[in-house]
Amino acid sequence: DTGVSQNPRHKITKRGQNVTFRCDPISEHNRLYWYRQTLGQGPEFLTYFQNEAQLEKSRLLSDRFSAERPKGSFSTLEIQRTEQGDSAMYLCASSVRQKSNYGYTFGSGTRLTVV
Amino acid sequence: AQTVTQSQPEMSVQEAETVTLSCTYDTSESDYYLFWYKQPPSRQMILVIRQEAYKQQNATENRFSVNFQKAAKSFSLKISDSQLGDAAMYFCAYRSRETSGSRLTFGEGTQLTVNP
Repeated sequence: DTGVSQNPRHKITKRGQNVTFRCDPISEHNRLYWYRQTLGQGPEFLTYFQNEAQLEKSRLLSDRFSAERPKGSFSTLEIQRTEQGDSAMYLCASSVRQKSNYGYTFGSGTRLTVV
Repeated sequence: AQTVTQSQPEMSVQEAETVTLSCTYDTSESDYYLFWYKQPPSRQMILVIRQEAYKQQNATENRFSVNFQKAAKSFSLKISDSQLGDAAMYFCAYRSRETSGSRLTFGEGTQLTVNP
């Protein structure tokens, strides 16, 4: 495992449906982050985990959004009752706590389109 | 809250020439990190260079260097000898060392085009 893996790469869903994305971080990385990036904008922080604990959530993470990281390994991000405004690229990143100042390793993202 | 501003939505440069991308930020903190990330089309974001605020010396990574002006809260990226592979969206990012957590705050990005 040489990088952060995100699945699926693309997801098209109808408004009102639930979707779930998966992120597999680099195996030795204990921190995992979710960001959202809309077209032409920089990524916006959603939430982060240290091991299995969710330590911080952005106010952008409404009650329709939930993230989990069971056993401190992979993570899932679920969006319930999707809205057109949820259309975006969802980025996952991971880092090692002691080296988080070196920046993260990002995945290639999951592009969500809500129609 | 910290903010990061990139005032150049688009920049272009001729191959082998030098280009500078601008970034300013706003913070009340004195200890933080600054980063430049590169995002090629449909590809993952890659760390280009980082700067620690307590270091006065500007960071350099091969053809990439920064001009860090702490008092002015400015952090520009200089790309020397530009190559076609440098074409990408470039994001400036800030991370606090003082507050808990390690979120990155990104600017809006600068789209760099490299002309052959």
